[in-house]
Amino acid sequence: GAGVSQSPRYKVAKRGQDVALRCDPISGHVSLFWYQQALGQGPEFLTYFQNEAQLDKSGLPSDRFFAERPEGSVSTLKIQRTQQEDSAVYLCASSPGQLGETQYFGPGTRLLVL
Amino acid sequence: SQQGEEDPQALSIQEGENATMNCSYKTSINNLQWYRQNSGRGLVHLILIRSNEREKHSGRLRVTLDTSKKSSSLLITASRAADTASYFCAPNRDQTGANNLFFGTGTRLTVIP
Repeated sequence: GAGVSQSPRYKVAKRGQDVALRCDPISGHVSLFWYQQALGQGPEFLTYFQNEAQLDKSGLPSDRFFAERPEGSVSTLKIQRTQQEDSAVYLCASSPGQLGETQYFGPGTRLLVL
Repeated sequence: SQQGEEDPQALSIQEGENATMNCSYKTSINNLQWYRQNSGRGLVHLILIRSNEREKHSGRLRVTLDTSKKSSSLLITASRAADTASYFCAPNRDQTGANNLFFGTGTRLTVIP
């Protein structure tokens, strides 16, 4: 079956521009996660959804970052007024259930803010 | 810190040799997971070891877990050039409802053909 997909794969934005990154999780997966990965670093947790409920957003770096999953499937990560430090790869992952399971990652969206 | 810390940061070996990577963590865990990331790609799950397990095998991979020392190791036997990647450990906290994974900076493995 299809894995996790993300779009766009690459995004170049001018500083101050708003961007929206999309994640299509594996069908039926309850949990969805967003991570940010800077160059040469490991992924850092941003936020977590269980179905449509955003249960943890403690990793979002500022109020410019907003995520939603309104119908419990597709999720969108929105970054408002992008800054150069937002340049990173944004990874989405999903897992079937609710507790500490294997996460299946998408290929990521590489965001470059100029 | 809740994240795993991998050691060494970089490892270079000849094809056919074994590669060992270590992970240390600080919190109590429900399980610990290892992931691989090829350059420019997403992470791929390799193996999950639960807190009540001490060793687990999957193909050429062997993972050990020592909860008393809060450490884990990943052994790749008979390495291949295709094993070249970054490897991350991710402790999963022992806390109801905790699902987030906390990754370290990884071990960059290079297997020379």
